[in-house]
Amino acid sequence: AQRVTQPEKLLSVFKGAPVELKCNYSYSGSPELFWYVQYSRQRLQLLLRHISRESIKGFTADLNKGETSFHLKKPFAQEEDSAMYYCASGGYNKLIFGAGTRLAVHP
Amino acid sequence: NAGVTQTPKFRILKIGQSMTLQCTQDMNHNYMYWYRQDPGMGLKLIYYSVGAGITDKGEVPNGYNVSRSTTEDFPLRLELAAPSQTSVYFCASRLQGEGPAFFGQGTRLTVV
Repeated sequence: AQRVTQPEKLLSVFKGAPVELKCNYSYSGSPELFWYVQYSRQRLQLLLRHISRESIKGFTADLNKGETSFHLKKPFAQEEDSAMYYCASGGYNKLIFGAGTRLAVHP
Repeated sequence: NAGVTQTPKFRILKIGQSMTLQCTQDMNHNYMYWYRQDPGMGLKLIYYSVGAGITDKGEVPNGYNVSRSTTEDFPLRLELAAPSQTSVYFCASRLQGEGPAFFGQGTRLTVV
């Protein structure tokens, strides 16, 4: 079955510290992988996807097929990065989300 | 371009009542999804559709029904509301093969 695992419910860091939000997936084919972000009182929005290999707001994510991981990283966290982050996998016509990780960046 | 629009934004239902959550998109996306978001549980897929006339169950379909008579609309029906259906519901759409999904603003439903 298609599954996305985000092991951390909460990640708390200080401003300027590096951030890594973990995501592991299970999917037998070639997955489409995404990171979505939900700021307070806003709708979910796409942060980045693996096929574009781009950096958005300083965040990057690399697909590691051997480890079936798609971790989200940022070298220097900012207070405005505080939000819920969801990893998602698209396959078999579905779009499955992980449980999410709340990132709290403290001044 | 409105994107994905959900109505209503808030609703309180009594146990046993029924209601329809509306979702419409104007991007000509063929894929549409309904999710529920419970605290600490992330988004769970309820139903999805890959085109008009085609629907399929997701991870948590029990207690819900959907229809897809047009490309634009994908309503979610609750027939006999139960307290366990208290949640925030999100509708999303995406273009086949193009990846990212666009979300509605959500409907906060409370069943008492």
